[in-house]
Amino acid sequence: ETGVTQSPTHLIKTRGQQVTLRCSSQSGHNTVSWYQQALGQGPQFIFQYYREEKNGRGNFPPRFSGLQFPNYSSELNVNALELDDSALYLCASSLGPEETQYFGPGTRLLVL
Amino acid sequence: ILNVEQSPQSLHVQEGDSTNFTCSFPSSNFYALHWYRWETAKSPEALFVMTLNGDEKKKGRISATLNTKEGYSYLYIKGSQPEDSATYLCAFRILNRDDKIIFGKGTRLHILP
Repeated sequence: ETGVTQSPTHLIKTRGQQVTLRCSSQSGHNTVSWYQQALGQGPQFIFQYYREEKNGRGNFPPRFSGLQFPNYSSELNVNALELDDSALYLCASSLGPEETQYFGPGTRLLVL
Repeated sequence: ILNVEQSPQSLHVQEGDSTNFTCSFPSSNFYALHWYRWETAKSPEALFVMTLNGDEKKKGRISATLNTKEGYSYLYIKGSQPEDSATYLCAFRILNRDDKIIFGKGTRLHILP
């Protein structure tokens, strides 16, 4: 059984650019949640996708968007990058929206 | 704004000693409380999920309790071992809200040999 994977592991971008982060869910999982962890903070919920539909959203601006594919993998897109977007981005998959989440290793994004 | 507080922020414990730390959360709109262990260079790993007031869960030397009426959960580690060194995160799942889940900042546990 393959666990949750994320790509890339590290990324450097400049202000104003756009970025796409990818997450492959664990086999059998239909739900993916995305989190941002800034330095010294706990993970902050960005949004969740369940069976290709958005199923909840945290307090993030519209330039954070995402989608989920039929195989339940997911992408997080961030437009018009700002310096404060520098963080570790975690995705987690689960058997359902309220089930235990299994986290990937994260993508560390640095915006210069 | 709903907030989840964890204390202490950081803790140094001698190997073999027992320890505990706290997660405080809002007592309204409660759905579930999760504990995760996050070791350096690894992914957060689920330890427990608790949903009912008075729930107690145990996994080896680690246990957790839940009080939803007063809004707190304790995590206990008995006979600390070096492999217990990690950040312990709690997460509060909210009922009927779009933002669904709020994490605390974690308690960083260092086990001293």
